[in-house]
Amino acid sequence: AQSVTQPDIHITVSEGASLELRCNYSYGATPYLFWYVQSPGQGLQLLLKYFSGDTLVQGIKGFEAEFKRSQSSFNLRKPSVHWSDAAEYFCAVKGAQKLVFGQGTRLTINP
Amino acid sequence: DADVTQTPRNRITKTGKRIMLECSQTKGHDRMYWYRQDPGLGLRLIYYSFDVKDINKGEISDGYSVSRQAQAKFSLSLESAIPNQTALYFCATSDLGQEREIQYFGPGTRLLVL
Repeated sequence: AQSVTQPDIHITVSEGASLELRCNYSYGATPYLFWYVQSPGQGLQLLLKYFSGDTLVQGIKGFEAEFKRSQSSFNLRKPSVHWSDAAEYFCAVKGAQKLVFGQGTRLTINP
Repeated sequence: DADVTQTPRNRITKTGKRIMLECSQTKGHDRMYWYRQDPGLGLRLIYYSFDVKDINKGEISDGYSVSRQAQAKFSLSLESAIPNQTALYFCATSDLGQEREIQYFGPGTRLLVL
């Protein structure tokens, strides 16, 4: 069965600083991978996805993620964060039938 | 995303009561899902449905039931609510084809069971 681990429960960065959120997955076949963002009081919004092809994928709001098969990772990055990026971020892997989510990483932005 | 709506958005109920959470979508998707979110646990799948006649249990279906009344409607019921069902509940939808892998979420229903 597939699983996802997000090692960091809470990360704090300063506005304008770079960001990397970690995601490690376990799945026997080629995974479909996703990052979702949940702003306070909101549902989940898709940031980006990886199905196949180029291992560096671009998403909305200036986010990107890199798929590294050898490390079973799909880390999310942004070169310069904005106060509006404060939210909870979820990595997910799609298996045979269902989507499995990581525990989430809460991002706090210091002014 | 206004294409997936959930009612109510907030609900307080008492132990033992039966409650229903409703989900409607205008995206025309065949597949619908119910998840619950608990702090530190991410989202866990309760039930999912690939069409009106197809209902499947997820990883935490005990204590819950669902009804797929139409392609656009998928309801989640708690037959006899208990305090550990206090959580944030999300409905999601997905389409067919490669885009079937992308799930679109409603705004959530926050449920408190006293």
